[in-house]
Amino acid sequence: DSGVTQTPKHLITATGQRVTLRCSPRSGDLSVYWYQQSLDQGLQFLIQYYNGEERAKGNILERFSAQQFPDLHSELNLSSLELGDSALYFCASSPNSLDSVLRNTFGSGTRLTVV
Amino acid sequence: GENVEQHPSTLSVQEGDSAVIKCTYSDSASNYFPWYKQELGKGPQLIIDIRSNVGEKKDQRIAVTLNKTAKHFSLHITETQPEDSAVYFCAASISAGNMLTFGGGTRLMVKP
Repeated sequence: DSGVTQTPKHLITATGQRVTLRCSPRSGDLSVYWYQQSLDQGLQFLIQYYNGEERAKGNILERFSAQQFPDLHSELNLSSLELGDSALYFCASSPNSLDSVLRNTFGSGTRLTVV
Repeated sequence: GENVEQHPSTLSVQEGDSAVIKCTYSDSASNYFPWYKQELGKGPQLIIDIRSNVGEKKDQRIAVTLNKTAKHFSLHITETQPEDSAVYFCAASISAGNMLTFGGGTRLMVKP
């Protein structure tokens, strides 16, 4: 157990729908990162939050958004879902954002299937 | 932006042999290079990392080397065991950017 908790583990939904993925970071970690892993795109960084504020943005679509709450858990919202959004979504956490050693600890992921 | 290439995409070795996975990166400003191991049904797990001010780092059977001039880094696993079978990812980051760019992954199979 990495200490990073993601729910749900599996999600099946229809095109056009909206889903919310949830992540609880390791105790004491202030930074949360979201990644998408798909067969054709590999593992891609989506977005990072540090202590409630957006810190860095990667290849995140406009249909996707995220937030980090005061208790440091984070949610990734995916809307107007398309078949191509089917992927594994990972959350990772690290102690802080200022350390150049970005030792991300990953959760077990949420497998999203869009049908 | 940063681009990380990883080779080979699959690697099959006999138990006890060594395995080498190589990555190249494009942005000379990158200064942190972690390696992750991903087992089936699990998230990536950090196994070793190296900063740009170090040329080599070892941790038991695992070592990573970095050549900043050539912009490539490698993972070396010695005395491979069946439990080393997994997908391995290299990554690179610029500390100020706070994001990791991953290679495409290498599926390592260790045959008993």
